[in-house]
Amino acid sequence: GAGVSQSPSNKVTEKGKDVELRCDPISGHTALYWYRQSLGQGLEFLIYFQGNSAPDKSGLPSDRFSAERTGGSVSTLTIQRTQQEDSAVYLCASSSPTGFDGYTFGSGTRLTVV
Amino acid sequence: AQRVTQPEKLLSVFKGAPVELKCNYSYSGSPELFWYVQYSRQRLQLLLRHISRESIKGFTADLNKGETSFHLKKPFAQEEDSAMYYCALTGDDKIIFGKGTRLHILP
Repeated sequence: GAGVSQSPSNKVTEKGKDVELRCDPISGHTALYWYRQSLGQGLEFLIYFQGNSAPDKSGLPSDRFSAERTGGSVSTLTIQRTQQEDSAVYLCASSSPTGFDGYTFGSGTRLTVV
Repeated sequence: AQRVTQPEKLLSVFKGAPVELKCNYSYSGSPELFWYVQYSRQRLQLLLRHISRESIKGFTADLNKGETSFHLKKPFAQEEDSAMYYCALTGDDKIIFGKGTRLHILP
């Protein structure tokens, strides 16, 4: 597609449930990032995929968070046993290998844990 | 419609010259505005936000509600300022990023 697509756009879940967030990057973009932004805060880096290299998971806040990228394209961020502090907007962004043209961001998934 | 506009895709400035990266926004409520920066081979990071009214690495940005602008300024450019800069807005529902401006500092 023409842009980075994220689904769902909004998700309300009960505390303790698992959720999956999907990101479909721009075709040909080998780099993919997940960020989140909590109310009033800046972006928090979560995880970074680049081609076939091992992902940089240094930003994942706990072992309840995991992410996969299948076939170098679509990525899924999974949050297990959700907690209220997981409520945030989760953003995906992709870029070309050089990153010279910068990021293209998806519109985000707003997750609300009740 | 909610929108963040960065009109310049590329801005080249000589070292020591003043820098101004333009950002205009469209939002019906009271937004929070941010500038993010990505240096070469590094991940995106927050540079500053308007509610902090701070100066980071010599950069400042003032929110002008009358002009709906949040331009990023620095009086004297340094070579290490070369990077990609994103203006962003957060409102009630979502985060909106501009398309970014690549700042190239010429020696």
